[in-house]
Formats: sequence, C-alpha cells, structure tokens
Amino acid sequence: QQQVKQSPQSLIVQKGGISIINCAYENTAFDYFPWYQQFPGKGPALLIAIRPDVSEKKEGRFTISFNKSAKQFSLHIMDSQPGDSATYFCAARVGNFNKFYFGSGTKLNVKP
Amino acid sequence: EAGVTQFPSHSVIEKGQTVTLRCDPISGHDNLYWYRRVMGKEIKFLLHFVKESKQDESGMPNNRFLAERTGGTYSTLKVQPAELEDSGVYFCASSRTGKDTQYFGPGTRLTVL
Repeated sequence: QQQVKQSPQSLIVQKGGISIINCAYENTAFDYFPWYQQFPGKGPALLIAIRPDVSEKKEGRFTISFNKSAKQFSLHIMDSQPGDSATYFCAARVGNFNKFYFGSGTKLNVKP
Repeated sequence: EAGVTQFPSHSVIEKGQTVTLRCDPISGHDNLYWYRRVMGKEIKFLLHFVKESKQDESGMPNNRFLAERTGGTYSTLKVQPAELEDSGVYFCASSRTGKDTQYFGPGTRLTVL
C-alpha cells in the first residue's frame, strides 16, 4: 500500500506559468515532508522541505503548501522555466534519520 | 565535498546471475540508505545502515538481496540469483546524523533479462 500518493503523473506547462504538484498521505505520524527534484541521469536532490507545524514555505520560485487537516501538501513552481523540466518526488518521513516514503513522481515539462 | 557515488551506472544481466552494486556515501555520513525505483513507480525504501549496523531492513524484498557495509564506509548490495522483477533503478543515499537531508547518488540501472 502506497503511503504517499502523488499527482499528476505528468505535467506540461508553458514558460512563465505555474506548475502545481499534489501529494496526499494517511499516516499522521509523518513529521517531515521533503520535495526532491531529479534530472535525467542524476539522483534525486532535495529541493525544499516542510514540517507539519507550518502551513507554507517559500524558497525563491518554489513554495510548499501544507494542509494538515486534509493530509495534503503541494509544490508550486512560479514562473516555470524550461530548466525546471525534471521529475519531482514528494516524500514523507516518521522520525529523525528514518526512511522516506516517496510518491510515484511527476514528470514536468516546461515548454519554451 | 564529493557526492554519493554508485557503481556501476548500468548493469544488464541474465536471470539467475549475480550482481553486486556498490555505493560510496559522502564522507562523514553515518547513515546510508538503499532505495529502488521500479518502472516509473515510487522510490521504495530497501534498508538503512547506521555505520556498519543494519538499522532497518524492512524493505528488503526477499533473501536474494544481501546488503553489507563493512567498516561503516561503502556499502554493497548483492542480488543472487537475480529475477526479472529485480529490474529497476537502485539508489543509494546518505545523511549525517542529526540532519534531515538525505543525499542521493545517481543510481544504478539494473536490467535482468
């Protein structure tokens, strides 16, 4: 049973548009929610992360919105650029130093 | 500082053969994780080392998979004998104790024919 459900599977956005990727979870014990970005041939790299005591976190053009009551969180990429074209994974973790539960990934294609 | 490295980058083997994957974590990272992504699905946890000890191996699919981390430095993941369903990309990640971020290697793409 998949612990973190991610949608959409793929996304096409025009340059300058907003990309939105959604994730949902059931386990209320999750206490850390990172987003990873993966370019072809590379490993996933941490993009931005949030803890459940905060409803939003922004770093540059990237924002995580977190809805604890709905058990959902999303990644918003403002002013999307062709260089943002990559696969994005949401993840969740229970406790420090423990394993991550990943979503199935979203392949983002930003058209010039 | 050098990132997490994995070897080989690709491996193509026949069903029934043995393959050994290697991961070199970032120097000073006591925590080492193995994950696998199969055919566009989610990245799934396999196991977690703290130094040379297995902290959590709940994700290991079966006893055909053997992971070691002798001396608490690099780790190997052996699949013996390999089956078709073992195909996928195997990622290694490492983290420093006390820090949240896991740093991933580029992965090993394993194809079992």
